[in-house]
Amino acid sequence: GAGVSQSPSNKVTEKGKDVELRCDPISGHTALYWYRQRLGQGLEFLIYFQGNSAPDKSGLPSDRFSAERTGESVSTLTIQRTQQEDSAVYLCASSLRVQETQYFGPGTRLLVL
Amino acid sequence: AQSVTQLDSHVSVSEGTPVLLRCNYSSSYSPSLFWYVQHPNKGLQLLLKYTSAATLVKGINGFEAEFKKSETSFHLTKPSAHMSDAAEYFCVVSDLRGNKLVFGAGTILRVKS
Repeated sequence: GAGVSQSPSNKVTEKGKDVELRCDPISGHTALYWYRQRLGQGLEFLIYFQGNSAPDKSGLPSDRFSAERTGESVSTLTIQRTQQEDSAVYLCASSLRVQETQYFGPGTRLLVL
Repeated sequence: AQSVTQLDSHVSVSEGTPVLLRCNYSSSYSPSLFWYVQHPNKGLQLLLKYTSAATLVKGINGFEAEFKKSETSFHLTKPSAHMSDAAEYFCVVSDLRGNKLVFGAGTILRVKS
């Protein structure tokens, strides 16, 4: 079946604008994760969703970042009032259940000018 | 808290020679450990994972890793490098509940012809 997909693949925005990133997980996967990869660094955990449980938001760097997930399908990551330090690749992953192997999407490359 | 340290940011080998990518972890419990690979302009791909079964784990493309608790290491090896192995490799540990992945900073592998 299809893997994790993300859109857009690239996004250029101006400082102060809001952006919305989308993730479509693998069908049937109940867990969904967002990570951020800054240039030359490893991935940083941002947030994860598991079924109908409250999401774990412990990795969100500021209140400008938020994410939603509709049931066990699409998720959107929203960054409000973007800053230049938000420039990074944002990766989404999904797993059949929590603690199962995570499968990653190709990422959205965000550049804030 | 759990963490991983990848001891080399860059490794260069000749085609046909062995590959060794070093990783040390820190964890207060028996961890799950992974190696992921990221080829240029492609998504992260799981190479192998350790989950407290056999200490020598075999992955895809001829890679393997050995879990050594006494040394808190999980080094990745391959007997003979191929040009297609050139990529960035991430050593990863999961948190206690297996919900979040904690990534190392990555090792870029260069394979010379």
